[in-house]
Amino acid sequence: DTEVTQTPKHLVMGMTNKKSLKCEQHMGHRAMYWYKQKAKKPPELMFVYSYEKLSINESVPSRFSPECPNSSLLNLHLHALQPEDSALYLCASSQEGQDNQPQHFGDGTRLSIL
Amino acid sequence: AQKITQTQPGMFVQEKEAVTLDCTYDTSDQSYGLFWYKQPSSGEMIFLIYQGSYDEQNATEGRYSLNFQKARKSANLVISASQLGDSAMYFCAMRERLYNQGGKLIFGQGTELSVKP
Repeated sequence: DTEVTQTPKHLVMGMTNKKSLKCEQHMGHRAMYWYKQKAKKPPELMFVYSYEKLSINESVPSRFSPECPNSSLLNLHLHALQPEDSALYLCASSQEGQDNQPQHFGDGTRLSIL
Repeated sequence: AQKITQTQPGMFVQEKEAVTLDCTYDTSDQSYGLFWYKQPSSGEMIFLIYQGSYDEQNATEGRYSLNFQKARKSANLVISASQLGDSAMYFCAMRERLYNQGGKLIFGQGTELSVKP
């Protein structure tokens, strides 16, 4: 079992739907991340939150909207997605300010856009 | 800019044998960290091992060890006594130092390891 919990594990949605991905960690980490990963490719960073504030947005389209309600939770709101957005979405967390600490990943949400 | 290169898209190894997965990196920083992750087909990214640029000894974690050659800018992962459960994608990554912005990971393209019985 991972220490970063993502829900749902699978999501199928139409291009006009609105849905949200959720991520939770209770390790006291103050940095949280969203990644997008296509099959047999490395994860691509989307967003970074540091101390509940958005610190990095890697030029992600506005149809993806992140939210960090508190230090344990991270959401990714989805609206009007395109078929090319179908991918594995990974959440991760890490201790802030300690370079030797790894990012801990969740199991991911497999998203399919119809 | 930092860069990670994994030149082996796929590798096969016989069960119980050792295997080395290659990773080279490029950075102008004097202080940096290198990570290896394992990703089974289920999707979870599992942290395996870490090597800091100032660490004098090669990192080891159980059956995993890191052959760190700083002058060559390589950080190869060695898996001893391969098991069927080691079949997975393996990513080498470097952390980009950002102040109070989290730690951005730069990933290589990955190596898909298949362990044969």
